[in-house]
Parts: sequence; C-alpha cells; structure tokens
Amino acid sequence: DAKTTQPPSMDCAEGRAANLPCNHSTISGNEYVYWYRQIHSQGPQYIIHGLKNNETNEMASLIITEDRKSSTLILPHATLRDTAVYYCIVRVGGDSSYKLIFGSGTRLLVRP
Amino acid sequence: GAVVSQHPSRVICKSGTSVKIECRSLDFQATTMFWYRQFPKQSLMLMATSNEGSKATYEQGVEKDKFLINHASLTLSTLTVTSAHPEDSSFYICSATPLPGHSTDTQYFGPGTRLTVL
Repeated sequence: DAKTTQPPSMDCAEGRAANLPCNHSTISGNEYVYWYRQIHSQGPQYIIHGLKNNETNEMASLIITEDRKSSTLILPHATLRDTAVYYCIVRVGGDSSYKLIFGSGTRLLVRP
Repeated sequence: GAVVSQHPSRVICKSGTSVKIECRSLDFQATTMFWYRQFPKQSLMLMATSNEGSKATYEQGVEKDKFLINHASLTLSTLTVTSAHPEDSSFYICSATPLPGHSTDTQYFGPGTRLTVL
C-alpha cells in the first residue's frame, strides 16, 4: 500500500504558485520522498525527490518538514501545461532495488 | 537524456491471443526495469520488477504465467500478455533505473502502451 496521503484535487490560477501537500507520517528514516506527475494518457514524469533537506530544481521545489511526516511540492509559476495528476511517493527499498508504490495522487487544474 | 520508449503505443487484439510489449531505455543502460498497469481513472499499480538476466519478481496478485516478462539486455525488457481477455485491457507502462553510478535514484517512465482486448 502507498504510504502517502494527498488531497484528490486542487486548482490554482495560471501564473500563481501551486502548493501541493502530502502526508507521509509512517515514513522511515532512510526513505526518500519522490514526486512525479502524469499528464493524461502519458507515462509519469519525474519532478523531484528528497530525503531530509529541501530541494529545488528547474521544475519545482520540495519542502520537507523537520519531522519528515509531510512535504509540499511547489510549482512557483503554474502554467496551463502543469495541469496533471501529481503523485507523492515514498520510495520503498534500498538504493539498488527499490520500488515506487503510487497512491491516488492530486489532480491539479491550472485555471487561465 | 534518460529516455524510455515503448512499442507499440496502442494495440488491439482478439480475446485469446498473446500480445508482446517492448520497453527500451534509449540513452542509458538499465539495471532494473519495472512494469505497471493503470486502469481508467485509477493510479498506477506495480506489476513486476525485472533485472537483466534474472527472473522477474511479481507483486502479490499478479499472475506470472499470464504476464511473461523477459529482460534480455540492459536496454530491453518485454511484457507478454498471454491469452489476453477483455479484463486485461489497460494502460501498461514501463520504467527503468540506470546502472549504479548513473542517477540510480530516479525511475524514468515510458509513454505507455494502451491494450484493448476485444
């Protein structure tokens, strides 16, 4: 079973920041948090991942709470193309043999 | 970089026939490939994990004789749906992780294959 809980849907205005929350209260100390997104009828696209520290790349920022029981994905300036289902995933297993167990995700709608 | 392809993108077959889906890592060698299935309006469900040159590991509830997985090289894995039936109609997606020392902490996904069994 997935170890994450996300709101089923959210929306935001184009150009504004989209903040997508995720709860993972049972996460273990060595388990990473991953974010992927899936645009309709396509394969998931990797966004970002982290362990303890906040992370930022060209797509998004990942904020992980100090107790690691929750995190937030931030899309700083959402565009219409960011409309997708966003999955927060806790990686299960070690570096060489891990699995990604997908939960139900958050359907983000970016409004014009 | 890190591109994964699947072939075919769509396939329609008659009930009782077998269908083979290919998954290729185009610009990297993959130590591990994964197969997922996704039904309409549902999330991805992991079916199996395959490592090059060894037998696949199937998730609980997935029939290994029904879904044959072959990972013959570091860039190719195949999923064969044997004796397909309408309930096997789904979106099949593969993913791959690069060899150790090359961003092994990221799975890259293919575009998916939509299977329709009549």
